[in-house]
Amino acid sequence: GAGVSQSPRYKVAKRGQDVALRCDPISGHVSLFWYQQALGQGPEFLTYFQNEAQLDKSGLPSDRFFAERPEGSVSTLKIQRTQQEDSAVYLCASSLSAGELFFGEGSRLTVL
Amino acid sequence: GESVGLHLPTLSVQEGDNSIINCAYSNSASDYFIWYKQESGKGPQFIIDIRSNMDKRQGQRVTVLLNKTVKHLSLQIAATQPGDSAVYFCAESSGTYKYIFGTGTRLKVLA
Repeated sequence: GAGVSQSPRYKVAKRGQDVALRCDPISGHVSLFWYQQALGQGPEFLTYFQNEAQLDKSGLPSDRFFAERPEGSVSTLKIQRTQQEDSAVYLCASSLSAGELFFGEGSRLTVL
Repeated sequence: GESVGLHLPTLSVQEGDNSIINCAYSNSASDYFIWYKQESGKGPQFIIDIRSNMDKRQGQRVTVLLNKTVKHLSLQIAATQPGDSAVYFCAESSGTYKYIFGTGTRLKVLA
């Protein structure tokens, strides 16, 4: 597609439910990133993929967070047993290599 | 740890005036800086970048200035328009893929 596509755009979950957020990067982009953006804050790094390899997951807040990119294209961020503090916008970005990141519009997660 | 922050959380300017958005960074090893614009409900959009071997870089109506001595970055928007209303973030990187974003400045353009 023309840009980074994320789905769902909005997700409401009850505390304790599992959620899965999808990212479809720009075709051909090797690098893929997940960021978490709390209300009124800047994006915070979660994890980084180069093709299918997850090279850095140091930003994942807990072991309830898991990301994958099995074929080096689409990525899924999974959050298990969601908590209220997980409420945020989850942004996916892709790039050819280092340099400009192209962001999707984000998935807004609300945990009740 | 290292952080990138902004001096002003909200900036209001008259349409047609110039805007200056400031950013301070603390990691002296940072060598790449980017300004992003984020409109409500959308993802951040690249505006302009600058590497540490430069002091100034110009784009269309935007200029980024880098002062490495005081670790300060600014974004200047000429002839500010209503469409410029958004939150602006600076981000820095120290030669890796990881970008650290500041908190953001909200720019309000007054008609």
